[in-house]
Amino acid sequence: EAGVAQSPRYKIIEKRQSVAFWCNPISGHATLYWYQQILGQGPKLLIQFQNNGVVDDSQLPKDRFSAERLKGVDSTLKIQPAKLEDSAVYLCASSLAWPGQTNYGYTFGSGTRLTVV
Amino acid sequence: KNQVEQSPQSLIILEGKNCTLQCNYTVSPFSNLRWYKQDTGRGPVSLTIMTFSENTKSNGRYTATLDADTKQSSLHITASQLSDSASYICVVSRRTPGTYKYIFGTGTRLKVLA
Repeated sequence: EAGVAQSPRYKIIEKRQSVAFWCNPISGHATLYWYQQILGQGPKLLIQFQNNGVVDDSQLPKDRFSAERLKGVDSTLKIQPAKLEDSAVYLCASSLAWPGQTNYGYTFGSGTRLTVV
Repeated sequence: KNQVEQSPQSLIILEGKNCTLQCNYTVSPFSNLRWYKQDTGRGPVSLTIMTFSENTKSNGRYTATLDADTKQSSLHITASQLSDSASYICVVSRRTPGTYKYIFGTGTRLKVLA
């Protein structure tokens, strides 16, 4: 089974520039998550999709971050404009879990390491 | 409040030695508990997953235990190798109306020395 694919692997941008990350979940996974992981900390949930609907975006800084999941498959996360404190690893995860289903298959991608200078 | 606490924060051991990492949680309603290994700059990789009815699960040199009554879990690493140097994260899943939520511990950073 192919894993969760993310790109790019690394990105370096200057502050105030824009950046976008892409995630392709495991085929058939209805739920997709974006996390921000600052060095030395655990992942922090930014947004959770179920199919193409948003389940939880309470911790997404909506003034600069946006995410979409068109057609309930691939997803993109955008930062515009970037700040120095956005430097982190951005992780995408997907799972089969939705109401009535057995909770399994929660898998992470390798992440995108963003450095804002 | 739904929380996952891990101890120790960091650990240094010699190659070949065993070690045990701890995870305590106050998550309700509990669905399952997972242990992940995360190398620096990489995504977490699943080691084990346990549901309420399971109290032990092994994956090679990794053995996880779960005590649902005391809400504690441990990850035991046997005969450690240099490649075991990583962060180990405990993640507890809870059921919420319509979906599942994942509560992360802050991890234990393990360093294995030759």
